[in-house]
Amino acid sequence: AQSVTQLGSHVSVSEGALVLLRCNYSSSVPPYLFWYVQYPNQGLQLLLKYTTGATLVKGINGFEAEFKKSETSFHLTKPSAHMSDAAEYFCAVSDGNSGYALNFGKGTSLLVTP
Amino acid sequence: AAGVIQSPRHLIKEKRETATLKCYPIPRHDTVYWYQQGPGQDPQFLISFYEKMQSDKGSIPDRFSAQQFSDYHSELNMSSLELGDSALYFCASSLRGGGTWGSPLHFGNGTRLTVT
Repeated sequence: AQSVTQLGSHVSVSEGALVLLRCNYSSSVPPYLFWYVQYPNQGLQLLLKYTTGATLVKGINGFEAEFKKSETSFHLTKPSAHMSDAAEYFCAVSDGNSGYALNFGKGTSLLVTP
Repeated sequence: AAGVIQSPRHLIKEKRETATLKCYPIPRHDTVYWYQQGPGQDPQFLISFYEKMQSDKGSIPDRFSAQQFSDYHSELNMSSLELGDSALYFCASSLRGGGTWGSPLHFGNGTRLTVT
């Protein structure tokens, strides 16, 4: 079965600094990978997804992620953090073998300090 | 653009009561998913429906049931509620179409259920 592991339940960065949120996946077949963001008391909003094709995926709000098969990783980055980026970030995977539903990682809480 | 609509937004029930959560997917989306998110937890997949038929089943308790109606809206029925059922319940929809793997899920804002 497919799964994702998010390294670091809490990440703190200064405003303007690089954001790096780590996600590693486990799947027996080529996976489909997603990053979602959740603000307090809100639903999950899709940031970006990787299905096939280009391994560097650009999403909304300046975020991007790179699919690295050799490292089984799909880390999320943003060159310069904004205060508004503070939220919970979830990596998710679907590989089709286990159905269409997404399996989520435990989440990483991003704190942005002035 | 239209989003996934969930109702009610908040619900307070007592132990052993029943609750019904409703979900209205994005128009023309053919698949509905239900997730449960406990405090500080990741969303856990409960169940999904494709074209009104149960598609995948996750960690849904036997006390819960769900269905998708002819207008594609879905309801999650929860009986014999327990304190541990207190959580955010999300509905999501997607357009699976002709077997398009990797279609993203679009989430509603959730129903916060509190069991006292």
